[in-house]
Amino acid sequence: NAGVTQTPKFQVLKTGQSMTLQCAQDMNHNSMYWYRQDPGMGLRLIYYSASEGTTDKGEVPNGYNVSRLNKREFSLRLESAAPSQTSVYFCASSLLWGGSNEQFFGPGTRLTVL
Amino acid sequence: KNEVEQSPQNLTAQEGEFITINCSYSVGISALHWLQQHPGGGIVSLFMLSSGKKKHGRLIATINIQEKHSSLHITASHPRDSAVYICAVSWGDDKIIFGKGTRLHILP
Repeated sequence: NAGVTQTPKFQVLKTGQSMTLQCAQDMNHNSMYWYRQDPGMGLRLIYYSASEGTTDKGEVPNGYNVSRLNKREFSLRLESAAPSQTSVYFCASSLLWGGSNEQFFGPGTRLTVL
Repeated sequence: KNEVEQSPQNLTAQEGEFITINCSYSVGISALHWLQQHPGGGIVSLFMLSSGKKKHGRLIATINIQEKHSSLHITASHPRDSAVYICAVSWGDDKIIFGKGTRLHILP
């Protein structure tokens, strides 16, 4: 089992460009999450999908959109990238929704917006 | 809103030393997580606990619900333990709040 996979690993964008970060899990998990990690700050939740067919905003959703394509895949889209979106992005999944469930993380995508 | 504070922010120790990393939070929780982030960036869940103590190999996690405090201990530390250790708590609507992490460096 690959666990949680993310593509790409690295990306450089110019301000205003768009891109989609892909995430897939093969653990048959119901819930999936997108986080960003910035220097000196803890991981912050961008969006989450508690179950297939649902998505909800997290702590820092502005400038992002998500799609839960099916049970396995959860993508994060930046429509018009800004330098403030330079960060490391992590996708995670858990069997069920809720903080009492262990989360499994992908390897991360390092995004730089110039 | 819950606040998660970790201490120390940075810790350097010699191989073999007993390591303690602390985590405090401000509001009652449903669960507390300890995670490890290696220099390559990958994040792995170490423990999830809501009371008492858990042990896995050389790692021990404890939680004191009354004092709103948890500790992660590493016995017989080794250079491969060098990583960032992250505390996270869940409460209320079950969202998780993450601490800023403790950067641990074990010298051979």
